[in-house]
Amino acid sequence: GENVEQHPSTLSVQEGDSAVIKCTYSDSASNYFPWYKQELGKGPQLIIDIRSNVGEKKDQRIAVTLNKTAKHFSLHITETQPEDSAVYFCAAQYDKVIFGPGTSLSVIP
Amino acid sequence: DAGVIQSPRHEVTEMGQEVTLRCKPISGHNSLFWYRQTMMRGLELLIYFNNNVPIDDSGMPEDRFSAKMPNASFSTLKIQPSEPRDSAVYFCASSRDLLGGGTDTQYFGPGTRLTVL
Repeated sequence: GENVEQHPSTLSVQEGDSAVIKCTYSDSASNYFPWYKQELGKGPQLIIDIRSNVGEKKDQRIAVTLNKTAKHFSLHITETQPEDSAVYFCAAQYDKVIFGPGTSLSVIP
Repeated sequence: DAGVIQSPRHEVTEMGQEVTLRCKPISGHNSLFWYRQTMMRGLELLIYFNNNVPIDDSGMPEDRFSAKMPNASFSTLKIQPSEPRDSAVYFCASSRDLLGGGTDTQYFGPGTRLTVL
């Protein structure tokens, strides 16, 4: 069945450094790849997304890249800040979304 | 828009009791999703509706779980009888259909934290 793998499961970085989270997906019909951030006690919130006709998208300090041939996509956060600490989920979607298992990011002040 | 609304936010009940979780999707969204989140299993899709019709309920764990969507602005997830292993955070999400097929971004509610003693 459809599957999304996500690495690493936990990530600690110093404030100001960059963080990279990588995902792979199995369903070649997937054409939409959202990234969600979940803070403690809250629901996942969309932070950035990319569609299959685009290879890269950037929004201030966050960027996503997509390689449809390899079925890989990645989230890049630059100049990390303590408020970036959260669990991040990648997802691959056509009709229903398949979530990755999540990455717990800790930004150390 | 108020976003996806879920109630209650917290529910504590005893094993064997019936539990009903409620969700109001974002107005104009025609797909609604119920998820369960636990440390062990992560985010699991339980069921999703499109235009009030259940499309995929393969994630519903067993017959004790049921979901309904009587109209475009309301859905319920019911557990009867509840068991301690049902303790989790249950999220509702909604999205719009895309003209070319598939669904757009899912927007999540704040979740209901269920504890079954």
